[in-house]
Amino acid sequence: DVKVTQSSRYLVKRTGEKVFLECVQDMDHENMFWYRQDPGLGLRLIYFSYDVKMKEKGDIPEGYSVSREKKERFSLILESASTNQTSMYLCASSLKINEQFFGPGTRLTVL
Amino acid sequence: GQSLEQPSEVTAVEGAIVQINCTYQTSGFYGLSWYQQHDGGAPTFLSYNALDGLEETGRFSSFLSRSDSYGYLLLQELQMKDSASYFCADPGGGRRALTFGSGTRLQVQP
Repeated sequence: DVKVTQSSRYLVKRTGEKVFLECVQDMDHENMFWYRQDPGLGLRLIYFSYDVKMKEKGDIPEGYSVSREKKERFSLILESASTNQTSMYLCASSLKINEQFFGPGTRLTVL
Repeated sequence: GQSLEQPSEVTAVEGAIVQINCTYQTSGFYGLSWYQQHDGGAPTFLSYNALDGLEETGRFSSFLSRSDSYGYLLLQELQMKDSASYFCADPGGGRRALTFGSGTRLQVQP
């Protein structure tokens, strides 16, 4: 069975902290994605990667960075967390772009 | 840029048929995917239309018309468990990623 896991379901951080969100997939997929989901705005793409050490900016990359050192792992980094980064963060992986497999999400609250 | 428009909410009764529309304005349109997301859950893939026409998967069908820049998801024999948010998405736009619509919240009533 396909599996995408995320390091935390819930996370509370303080403004200015550096935050790491981890995502691991066990399907040997080349493509991995980070989205944030806010009410009424759908899923917005932050960054994606189609190979190890490769990364591409999505629609809202400001304030975020990513790391992909191994094929199965894609990390999202908030360099200095701010309250407007309070959101649900979803990781996904795929072999075919149209069919993505999502992790359970991390609900991040920045105080 | 990419833009996919969906109604924000749809309500229907158990056993009925409901259609969720998606209109798009995208450069380099590739096809239309549909995802379902229950409250508190992760989005899950439902279907993909690469070509015009109807694709059927059990109670769910999806339709695409490129000439009208329009697609829809059709849910038949609605069940309470179909209450969820439904998103259309396009893998086009010259990048290897999906652009999602803002989602339609479907409420199925008894």
